[in-house]
Amino acid sequence: NAGVTQTPKFQVLKTGQSMTLQCAQDMNHNSMYWYRQDPGMGLRLIYYSASEGTTDKGEVPNGYNVSRLNKREFSLRLESAAPSQTSVYFCASSAALAGGSDTQYFGPGTRLTVL
Amino acid sequence: GENVEQHPSTLSVQEGDSAVIKCTYSDSASNYFPWYKQELGKRPQLIIDIRSNVGEKKDQRIAVTLNKTAKHFSLHITETQPEDSAVYFCAAESDSWGKFQFGAGTQVVVTP
Repeated sequence: NAGVTQTPKFQVLKTGQSMTLQCAQDMNHNSMYWYRQDPGMGLRLIYYSASEGTTDKGEVPNGYNVSRLNKREFSLRLESAAPSQTSVYFCASSAALAGGSDTQYFGPGTRLTVL
Repeated sequence: GENVEQHPSTLSVQEGDSAVIKCTYSDSASNYFPWYKQELGKRPQLIIDIRSNVGEKKDQRIAVTLNKTAKHFSLHITETQPEDSAVYFCAAESDSWGKFQFGAGTQVVVTP
């Protein structure tokens, strides 16, 4: 099992450009998440998807959109990148079902720089 | 919503000594508290977790304690080794099932 995979590993964008970060998991998990990690601020939730076909905003959703393409894949889109979106982005997945939390497994991350 | 505070932000220990990291949370409805370890340039990985029906859990040199009344939980690492050097994050279930609020992290440095 590959677990949670993310592409790309690194990306440099200019202000105003758009891009999509891809995430896939092969653990048959229901829930998927996108986080950003900035120095000294831990992991902050951008969006999550509790099941195929549903998405909800997290703590810092502004400037991002997501798509839960199917049970395996959850993508994050930056429509018009800004320097404040320079960060490391992690995708995660979990077997969590309604009523109970469970371990979240993280992908390797995407290091994004916006100039 | 949930607020998780983590202390200290940095912790230096001599090899063989113990390390303790403390977290407090605000939402009394939280029932699940995982701890993650993140080495430099790597992804966060779960090292131990605890649910609200348990007061303490141990796994070799790592233990977690939970005090639901006081709304705090702690990570204890005994007999520290250089490979324990990393950033450690606590988390608590937030707002509803399946979502976590993470602490800001503790940089642990174990010196030989």
